[in-house]
Amino acid sequence: NAGVTQTPKFQVLKTGQSMTLQCAQDMNHEYMSWYRQDPGMGLRLIHYSVGAGITDQGEVPNGYNVSRSTTEDFPLRLLSAAPSQTSVYFCASRPGTGSVNEQFFGPGTRLTVL
Amino acid sequence: KNEVEQSPQNLTAQEGEFITINCSYSVGISALHWLQQHPGGGIVSLFMLSSGKKKHGRLIATINIQEKHSSLHITASHPRDSAVYICAVSPTGNLIFGKGTKLSVKP
Repeated sequence: NAGVTQTPKFQVLKTGQSMTLQCAQDMNHEYMSWYRQDPGMGLRLIHYSVGAGITDQGEVPNGYNVSRSTTEDFPLRLLSAAPSQTSVYFCASRPGTGSVNEQFFGPGTRLTVL
Repeated sequence: KNEVEQSPQNLTAQEGEFITINCSYSVGISALHWLQQHPGGGIVSLFMLSSGKKKHGRLIATINIQEKHSSLHITASHPRDSAVYICAVSPTGNLIFGKGTKLSVKP
């Protein structure tokens, strides 16, 4: 199993550009989520999904869209990039939707918005 | 006030020392997670616990639900233990993360 994969690993955008961060998992996990990690702050939840066709907002959803058309994939779209979105982004998944399950993280995408 | 507080924020130890990292939380939870993040690296799950104590090798995690407190202990620390250790709690289905404790173990 590849686990949770993310692409790209690094990305530089200009203000106003759009892009999609890809996330895929091959463990048939129901729950998937996107976090951003900024210096001096804990990981913050952007969006999450409890199954194909179901998504919901987390703590910091503004400026981001998600969709979940399959169990495996959970892409994160930046609609119009802003310097405040410079961050490291992690995708994660876990079996089931309850919290009493180990969470698996992708390797991260380091995004810089100029 | 943060719902998850970790202490210390930074910790430097000599190889072989016994290390303790603390996590206090203010919400009711169904589980608490300890995660490890190496510099420039991804995040891996070390422990998930809802009561008592768990042990993996040199790592031990304990939780006191009544006091809303958990500790992560590392015995016989080694330079390869240098990483950021993150505590996360789950009151519902989503995790709330602490800011992490940066551990540096010197040879």
